Amino acid sequence: GNSVTQMEGPVTLSEEAFLTINCTYTATGYPSLFWYVQYPGEGLQLLLKATKADDKGSNKGFEATYRKETTSFHLEKGSVQVSDSAVYFCALTTDSWGKLQFGAGTQVVVTP
Amino acid sequence: DGGITQSPKYLFRKEGQNVTLSCEQNLNHDAMYWYRQDPGQGLRLIYYSQIVNDFQKGDIAEGYSVSREKKESFPLTVTSAQKNPTAFYLCASNVNKNTEAFFGQGTRLTVV
Repeated sequence: GNSVTQMEGPVTLSEEAFLTINCTYTATGYPSLFWYVQYPGEGLQLLLKATKADDKGSNKGFEATYRKETTSFHLEKGSVQVSDSAVYFCALTTDSWGKLQFGAGTQVVVTP
Repeated sequence: DGGITQSPKYLFRKEGQNVTLSCEQNLNHDAMYWYRQDPGQGLRLIYYSQIVNDFQKGDIAEGYSVSREKKESFPLTVTSAQKNPTAFYLCASNVNKNTEAFFGQGTRLTVV
């Protein structure tokens, strides 16, 4: 079956530091890949997505590239802000309707 | 504005009681989902529905029930058979595998 593995948190960074959250997956077929973000007490919001190999998703300074050869979709941001403190989820779907399989989530804490 | 509305935001359940969580969407999406979120475990799929009057069990359906009588509504009932119901419940909807899934703000259920 499908599965998503992402690095454990919490990840604690200083403001303006470089952020990387690793995500690897196993999937049958050709998955679409997503990063979602969750702020405290809220639902999830889409951060970025990639629907085929070598696609790069980007949004709000975050980037991730769909690497089929390494089955990875690592999230990066060059300079984090305190407002980036949240839980980040890597997810995939191979289902035509978009049923998502999530990783365990990585909490990111950015300090001033 | 289009979106997903979950209610209530907080819910308390006594032992042996059934409770129903509401989820309504005005996005005209066919597919709707219920996820359960526990600390450190990511999101796990409870039930999903891809068309009115039809729904499927997810990975952790035991102790839960759903209905899909209208396209806009997908209520989740947590029955007394669910032995550990304390969690954060998230409803979502989607169009297909390449589009963004929209999430509600969640319902936090606590057993008292």
